[in-house]
Amino acid sequence: GAVVSQHPSRVICKSGTSVKIECRSLDFQATTMFWYRQFPKQSLMLMATSNEGSKATYEQGVEKDKFLINHASLTLSTLTVTSAHPEDSSFYICSATNRVQETQYFGPGTRLLVL
Amino acid sequence: AQSVTQLGSHVSVSEGALVLLRCNYSSSVPPYLFWYVQYPNQGLQLLLKYTTGATLVKGINGFEAEFKKSETSFHLTKPSAHMSDAAEYFCAVSDNRDDKIIFGKGTRLHILP
Repeated sequence: GAVVSQHPSRVICKSGTSVKIECRSLDFQATTMFWYRQFPKQSLMLMATSNEGSKATYEQGVEKDKFLINHASLTLSTLTVTSAHPEDSSFYICSATNRVQETQYFGPGTRLLVL
Repeated sequence: AQSVTQLGSHVSVSEGALVLLRCNYSSSVPPYLFWYVQYPNQGLQLLLKYTTGATLVKGINGFEAEFKKSETSFHLTKPSAHMSDAAEYFCAVSDNRDDKIIFGKGTRLHILP
């Protein structure tokens, strides 16, 4: 079964609203989680590293005030797309590292459509 | 900085034929290498990974890949393609210092009947 879950799996929102996406590690604790976005027929682009108990680390070109990340517990990271616009429409995927198994697991993704 | 180059955005093979998906990497430190598969509208599934040790890595669904340091390559192969192998395949690299995984642009594999 899935070891990393995301909620919601799909969301449609109006331009200007904010959307929160949750990423949970189900059977292990993850001090580090990652957020990616994937445009249609393209690769995954790393957006940021979510660190439990500290600020997220953003990749170059990713607006930290636009994409708010909160890693409040060892099993949950959230990504909030603030004031979403149509160009934010994408497939957002998170991952979490199981350090015991030395394996990084990916969530099933969240498809965001901003109208 | 690390990077991954996947040669061929689309590859078509006949059912039963050999599958070969090419991947070359760039890394300033010994790399960790991965192959992931993504089916339409789904997340990523790990096929196999190389960290250290044996350079020929066997994964799920009959896939395997060989790490060749001299060629900076990590090509994915499967002896006999099946219709269910049709999907998007991503090669990825990590230096494992911070667990960041950098993905290639992906190769869509088409299986011809």
